Amino acid sequence: DTGVSQNPRHKITKRGQNVTFRCDPISEHNRLYWYRQTLGQGPEFLTYFQNEAQLEKSRLLSDRFSAERPKGSFSTLEIQRTEQGDSAMYLCASSSRGPPGETQYFGPGTRLLVL
Amino acid sequence: QKEVEQNSGPLSVPEGAIASLNCTYSDRGSQSFFWYRQYSGKSPELIMFIYSNGDKEDGRFTAQLNKASQYVSLLIRDSQPSDSATYLCASRDGSSNTGKLIFGQGTTLQVKP
Repeated sequence: DTGVSQNPRHKITKRGQNVTFRCDPISEHNRLYWYRQTLGQGPEFLTYFQNEAQLEKSRLLSDRFSAERPKGSFSTLEIQRTEQGDSAMYLCASSSRGPPGETQYFGPGTRLLVL
Repeated sequence: QKEVEQNSGPLSVPEGAIASLNCTYSDRGSQSFFWYRQYSGKSPELIMFIYSNGDKEDGRFTAQLNKASQYVSLLIRDSQPSDSATYLCASRDGSSNTGKLIFGQGTTLQVKP
């Protein structure tokens, strides 16, 4: 069990550019979540995958955001035409079972700065 | 809108004391609650979860849940300087089948040697 990994760990980009983040969940975990955290706030849910199916998306997720989880393994989160308001820590979490006993384990996060 | 409320702090306690962290939640449908610890610049780390009314103990940590009052707390006994961090309270969205969490803004704990 090597834990959840995320790449890159840091990303600096200019406004208007596209960025893509990757999450590799714990190997036996079929449930995968993306959250976003801004300074001084708790994480906010963005989207959820069960295996390869994206089953829920937050209303926070504008059309500029898209996420995939091909083959139910790693996941990618893409932000198109980045804006300064997208600057945040993007967190991926995975788990192996559903409610009520589910516990989510977070990766180290990708910190995005949009200039 | 479903919310989890925490006092942002900072909460300052001397080394060896008991730290008491609290949160309230608005979603009466929520059944599971979680405490995560987050060091500055790092990602959240799960400390405990609770879904039955009452107390749940794990080492120096005790989580308490009162569903009637919609109140969750975390007690840290024998606080150590290494416990200094932000503590995030989260509830599972009771109307979602996905298990998504709703987080509070976190309480900053400072343990002074």
